[in-house]
Amino acid sequence: QVQLVQSGAEVKKPGASVKVSCKASGYTFTYFAMHWVRQAPGQRLEWMGLINTGNGHTKYSQKFQGRVTIARDTSASTAYMELSSLRSEDAAVYFCAREMASCGDYCYSYFDYWGQGTLVTVSS
Amino acid sequence: DIQMTQSPSSLSASVGDRVTITCRASQSISSYLNWYQQKPGKAPKLLIYVASSLQSGVPSRFSGSGSGTDFTLTISSLQPEDFATYYCQQSSSTPYTFGQGTKLEIK
Repeated sequence: QVQLVQSGAEVKKPGASVKVSCKASGYTFTYFAMHWVRQAPGQRLEWMGLINTGNGHTKYSQKFQGRVTIARDTSASTAYMELSSLRSEDAAVYFCAREMASCGDYCYSYFDYWGQGTLVTVSS
Repeated sequence: DIQMTQSPSSLSASVGDRVTITCRASQSISSYLNWYQQKPGKAPKLLIYVASSLQSGVPSRFSGSGSGTDFTLTISSLQPEDFATYYCQQSSSTPYTFGQGTKLEIK
């Protein structure tokens, strides 16, 4: 069965960086793009970016451009999200999510599997 | 960016009720609309994709409709396990954006 297992909770100081991993199993890792979505306390879900796990191409939300790096290790079936220059507003739960595409005349994408979430706390 | 607005933001209902949640996009997104259910401390769970397609394993009391800018999620007969927060999400263009959520509470 498909599983996305994320790394554990992190506590970071303002200005530091955090790197969260997402290990996939139960399917061919390189066949599906991986996205990262975060959720601050009491807030809506917020899309951060994606990686084409086959060719490594990435796309980031403008909001995080320059601070976020998404990468993958195909040999380990693992995706990574690193966020730098952390500030208090970055305190959130970070999720990885697998993109499924339903294609006919057009391709529609949606997130069919999610990691369990990684809590990142930013505190001095 | 495409803005997604849900209504209502919260809703009280009873087991057995029929409920409808609305999602509006700030511009046309065709049928690039998905619905998720989230329970406290858990990851979102896909319910509906491409506006009206039911995800495998999701009970048939859930249904979705709409296209363009206006969409609805309907639960035909609320069950105790349905009390959660529901989010719509557009996948028409990046950045993919979510609605603010609708919290469904027990009356």
